Order: sequence, then structure tokens, then C-alpha cells
Amino acid sequence: KNQVEQSPQSLIILEGKNCTLQCNYTVSPFSNLRWYKQDTGRGPVSLTIMTFSENTKSNGRYTATLDADTKQSSLHITASQLSDSASYICVVSKTSGGSYIPTFGRGTSLIVHP
Amino acid sequence: DAGVIQSPRHEVTEMGQEVTLRCKPISGHNSLFWYRQTMMRGLELLIYFNNNVPIDDSGMPEDRFSAKMPNASFSTLKIQPSEPRDSAVYFCASSLLGFLEQYFGPGTRLTVT
Repeated sequence: KNQVEQSPQSLIILEGKNCTLQCNYTVSPFSNLRWYKQDTGRGPVSLTIMTFSENTKSNGRYTATLDADTKQSSLHITASQLSDSASYICVVSKTSGGSYIPTFGRGTSLIVHP
Repeated sequence: DAGVIQSPRHEVTEMGQEVTLRCKPISGHNSLFWYRQTMMRGLELLIYFNNNVPIDDSGMPEDRFSAKMPNASFSTLKIQPSEPRDSAVYFCASSLLGFLEQYFGPGTRLTVT
């Protein structure tokens, strides 16, 4: 069964600190992995997308890594800010009939305290 | 660009009533997706359209749910009759590249009492 598991479920950190969110998946055949940021009351916004051949990608203070062998990804946030408080969703897509079918993780809720 | 527009933003209705959610995709996008998000299940794909044609509706939970896309700039998701377990946030997303690059709307928070 295609699954995407995220950990931790929730995380509280102090402003300025770093943190790492995890995503493990069993989706196959793997096509791409995307991290979304979802602010409260808003739709998800894409942060990064990685294909099989990429093992790291950055977007400002956000750095995603991918280990396709172990089927694991992480999202590292450097020097956290209050605006980083949000839910972070890992989405893994597989190829199927010329399309990409996504499987969504349930997200990690991050709270950054001043 | 105004982005994906959804209406209403909030809807409170009584069990048994019909509910219609509306979506205007980004101009020029040819794919449109309807999702449901709950705390328990996260984001779930309900149905998606390509060039106004429904491609996959296997995520639609029951016959009470129906979706239409009469033209490239408008889609509806209808629940009839609504039930309390339908309470969730419903998102519409649109794309030029199918699932590869979706832009989500702000969502409609539905509460069925």
C-alpha cells in the first residue's frame, strides 16, 4: 500500500532555532517528492520538489533532502522565524499511465515561539 | 493574478441540506482538483478534471458527492444531502502541469450540524 508517514506530528521550538521534519514513504514507482507549507486558514504552498536523481534542494532557509534508497526525506528549517509556524506536508507522487498520482502525508504542525 | 478563488470561505448548514462549493481556477490552467482535509485523514483527493473533463473521481466518498466543470473558469462540488461527517475544509487547486505543479485556493470550511 502506498503510504507517506510524517514525524513528528507536532513540534514546538524557539525562534532562531533549527529544526528537522521527517517523511518516510512506501510509494512506488517513485516519481517526485514535494514539501508544502500550509499556514492556518490557507491552502498549501509548495516549498520544494525533488525527483529521483536529486538528493537536496534549498528554498531560502528551507532545505529538503531525499534518500531514494531508504525512501526517506527531511525538511530542515534554519534560524526559524515566527512566520514558520505552519503545517508542513510531504507529498510523494508515483507515475501511473502517464500521470503523477500523489499520496499526502498528514503533516507536521510546527509552532515557533518568541 | 488573483490565484484560485473559492466561495464561500465558510459554510454552516444543517444535516440533510444541499451544499454547493464553488471554485474559479487560475486563468489558463487546464487541470482542476478538489480535495478534502480533516485532522484525522489529512488531505484527500476527491476528483480532478483535465480540460473540463472528469479524469478520476475514485476519491469521491459517496454518491452524495458530485462535481461539475461546465467551463474552463468554473467548477462546483455539491453534497446532497449533507451529513455531519462531511465537515471538513474543502480545497480547490488548479494547474498547467497536472499534479506536478498545483496552486491551491484558500479553502471552504464546511460545518454540518
